[in-house]
Amino acid sequence: GAGVSQSPSNKVTEKGKDVELRCDPISGHTALYWYRQSLGQGLEFLIYFQGNSAPDKSGLPSDRFSAERTGGSVSTLTIQRTQQEDSAVYLCASSLLNTEAFFGQGTRLTVV
Amino acid sequence: QQQVKQSPQSLIVQKGGISIINCAYENTAFDYFPWYQQFPGKGPALLIAIRPDVSEKKEGRFTISFNKSAKQFSLHIMDSQPGDSATYFCAARANSKLTFGKGITLSVRP
Repeated sequence: GAGVSQSPSNKVTEKGKDVELRCDPISGHTALYWYRQSLGQGLEFLIYFQGNSAPDKSGLPSDRFSAERTGGSVSTLTIQRTQQEDSAVYLCASSLLNTEAFFGQGTRLTVV
Repeated sequence: QQQVKQSPQSLIVQKGGISIINCAYENTAFDYFPWYQQFPGKGPALLIAIRPDVSEKKEGRFTISFNKSAKQFSLHIMDSQPGDSATYFCAARANSKLTFGKGITLSVRP
């Protein structure tokens, strides 16, 4: 595709429910990143994929958070038993190795 | 520990003025320093970037100045325009991971 695509663009969920956020990177991009953007907190690194493997998952805030990438392309970020503090914009980016990272428009998650 | 620190937290500039945003970093392993611009409801977009073997890079109205010994770099926006009003993030990369500053909101008054 022309750019990084994320879905859904908005998600409202009840506390305690599981959610899945999807990222379609730019075709051919081997690196994929997930970031979380909270108000006034900048962009918080969550996890980085190179191909299907995740050499750096140090930013995942708890074991409720997990991510996978299949076929070196689409990635899914899963949050189990959502909490109100999980409310944020979740951003995905992709790049060729060590080149410019292109971001999607993000998924705004609201936990009520 | 915040590895990349931005200042000021917000900035208001008159149209035609110079906007200056500063960043300081801690990790000497960082090897790439980009600035991102973000408009409301959009993802961040790369504005300009520099590597540590260069002290300055200019692209149009945007200039990065880099001081390796001080571990600081700054973004200068010349002839600032209302359309430049956005949030600006500095970032630094090590081991393929980008670490971002907290961002600064720039408002350019007409």
